[in-house]
Amino acid sequence: QPVLTQPPSASASLGASVTLTCTLSSGYSSNKVDWYQQRPGKGPRFVMRVGPGGIVGSKGDGIPDRFSVLASGLNRNLTIKNIQEEDESDYHCGAEHGSGSNFVLVFGGGTKLTVL
Amino acid sequence: EVQLVESGGGLVKPGGSLRLSCAASGFTFDTYTMNWVRQAPGKGLEWVSSISSSSSYIQYADSVRGRFTISRDNAKNSLYLQMNSLRAEDTAVYYCVRVAATPRWGQGSLVTVSS
Repeated sequence: QPVLTQPPSASASLGASVTLTCTLSSGYSSNKVDWYQQRPGKGPRFVMRVGPGGIVGSKGDGIPDRFSVLASGLNRNLTIKNIQEEDESDYHCGAEHGSGSNFVLVFGGGTKLTVL
Repeated sequence: EVQLVESGGGLVKPGGSLRLSCAASGFTFDTYTMNWVRQAPGKGLEWVSSISSSSSYIQYADSVRGRFTISRDNAKNSLYLQMNSLRAEDTAVYYCVRVAATPRWGQGSLVTVSS
């Protein structure tokens, strides 16, 4: 099953841009990844799904246009432009692997985004 | 509107049992694989278990296999997690999750295992 790697922390100034990285382990370059935003004390909220060709389907409810994704090789990155205070959250990436009797969900360790 | 509402969490002693429930609404529950995912305090997300739409396929994380049992009642649009032989390391918020199509998460139910 794939391993998803995320840096534990990131920071950006108000109004700036930041790219959060999620890297799949070798051999899983065709896998899709889901991005989730988790504000303090809340449950994860779906942001968008990214495959090898970019966004898959639609963004989650209420996700602003400032959020976008880009895929390159094993990377499934989330970019946030014009960062706002409300973007300060933990961001998790997750992926399904397998089907039927060998289905599993895997998650990265999460990145804590601080807005300066 | 899609809603997933967990219930049944609480404080339990090590070795004890607890049953979580998840009430689903706003979508055709019996066509989706459903999952339980947990998050220990200050930690990341950990997949716990999955059950296919007709309960034909059931999977568990190694950390809970043999102690937890996932089930569903499609007539009641409900998902369950029976947790036995609970340990301190099972302390977490437990989320009911639909991953397919547009992923949806419940608000979570806190399980605390402590003497």
